[in-house]
Amino acid sequence: AQKVTQAQTEISVVEKEDVTLDCVYETRDTTYYLFWYKQPPSGELVFLIRRNSFDEQNEISGRYSWNFQKSTSSFNFTITASQVVDSAVYFCALSGREKAAGNKLTFGGGTRVLVKP
Amino acid sequence: NAGVTQTPKFQVLKTGQSMTLQCAQDMNHNSMYWYRQDPGMGLRLIYYSASEGTTDKGEVPNGYNVSRLNKREFSLRLESAAPSQTSVYFCASSGGTVSGQPQHFGDGTRLSIL
Repeated sequence: AQKVTQAQTEISVVEKEDVTLDCVYETRDTTYYLFWYKQPPSGELVFLIRRNSFDEQNEISGRYSWNFQKSTSSFNFTITASQVVDSAVYFCALSGREKAAGNKLTFGGGTRVLVKP
Repeated sequence: NAGVTQTPKFQVLKTGQSMTLQCAQDMNHNSMYWYRQDPGMGLRLIYYSASEGTTDKGEVPNGYNVSRLNKREFSLRLESAAPSQTSVYFCASSGGTVSGQPQHFGDGTRLSIL
């Protein structure tokens, strides 16, 4: 069975502070995929990034960066110089190599980020 | 670009009533999914359809049925609504033929059952 844990339920920061969201996963698959989604107050889910289990390179996209460490089963997400528009709930998710099962996603419980001006 | 379209956006039902939530995607995706989102619990998979003509149970299927009407449409039915089914329901789709494709979500249906 797959499991994703986001231990932080809510993080509050002041604008321009950095914020790191933790994600720890469990899977028996040797090939798997990790995702981050953003859910702003308007409610839609926005895909941010995908990482496969063979690619442990960190990635930076603007103010967003991701740190994938297979040794600790973690896929953490950092927002640098946070802005009020970053206020949202962020979900980490996991899928295995299950073509026949259509790439089902297992989600973590989410971390609510509140950025205060 | 429409992407994934869900109807209705809001609905209030009485206990015992039936309801079908509609979902359609225009991205020619093979796989479609239904999730429910409850406070503090993330999204949980109700049912999914890996390809046209197939459907399978997810984590929380009890009280629901689904129909993959064609490649574009995947509906979710509540036969006899219960207050425990009050939730936000999301439909999603993905390419599916290649592992690890990201899912694209609709805007959700907020369902309240009194």
